[in-house]
Amino acid sequence: RKEVEQDPGPFNVPEGATVAFNCTYSNSASQSFFWYRQDCRKEPKLLMSVYSSGNEDGRFTAQLNRASQYISLLIRDSKLSDSATYLCVVTGEYGNKLVFGAGTILRVKS
Amino acid sequence: DAGVIQSPRHEVTEMGQEVTLRCKPISGHDYLFWYRQTMMRGLELLIYFNNNVPIDDSGMPEDRFSAKMPNASFSTLKIQPSEPRDSAVYFCASNRDRVGEQFFGPGTRLTVL
Repeated sequence: RKEVEQDPGPFNVPEGATVAFNCTYSNSASQSFFWYRQDCRKEPKLLMSVYSSGNEDGRFTAQLNRASQYISLLIRDSKLSDSATYLCVVTGEYGNKLVFGAGTILRVKS
Repeated sequence: DAGVIQSPRHEVTEMGQEVTLRCKPISGHDYLFWYRQTMMRGLELLIYFNNNVPIDDSGMPEDRFSAKMPNASFSTLKIQPSEPRDSAVYFCASNRDRVGEQFFGPGTRLTVL
């Protein structure tokens, strides 16, 4: 079983739509969680950290469910510029490094 | 402030040749990471350094790969000899905290023919 699993998509949505991604992780001891964004042929960049209480940054909301070991990302009012691959990231087995999911592709169309 | 710098940005070489990838981390960052990204395997951690010392190289695929960090501002990843299956994008990243936000360089796109 992979340490971090994501639906690869692609998710094709119209502008203005709300879209949600989920991610599951296998290490119950993981302490840190993130969503990174990667544009085509570019490097990954941090989108937001994910806290136990959930957190919101503008149109983006991240939630963590430790009991079920999954993380979610909700994007409201999708923009064309949101088109990218979204990587779910957690700390690894011994908490000493980050483990990246394979990513979920989002395509927002006009 | 400059971000993580990698060179070359693109490298095309023939099987059997030596390849050296270079990275300059952000000044003040004590951790440096080397990743490889492919369509099949996603983003994989190869090795990381703390204060120029290799801490975990369990992700290095085999003896053909080696990495060094002679000082706080420079690291290399070497593949010798290179094989077609090494074709991938290699990213270098740095940060202040082992599990905090990592800042990635633009990557080196390697093609081994």
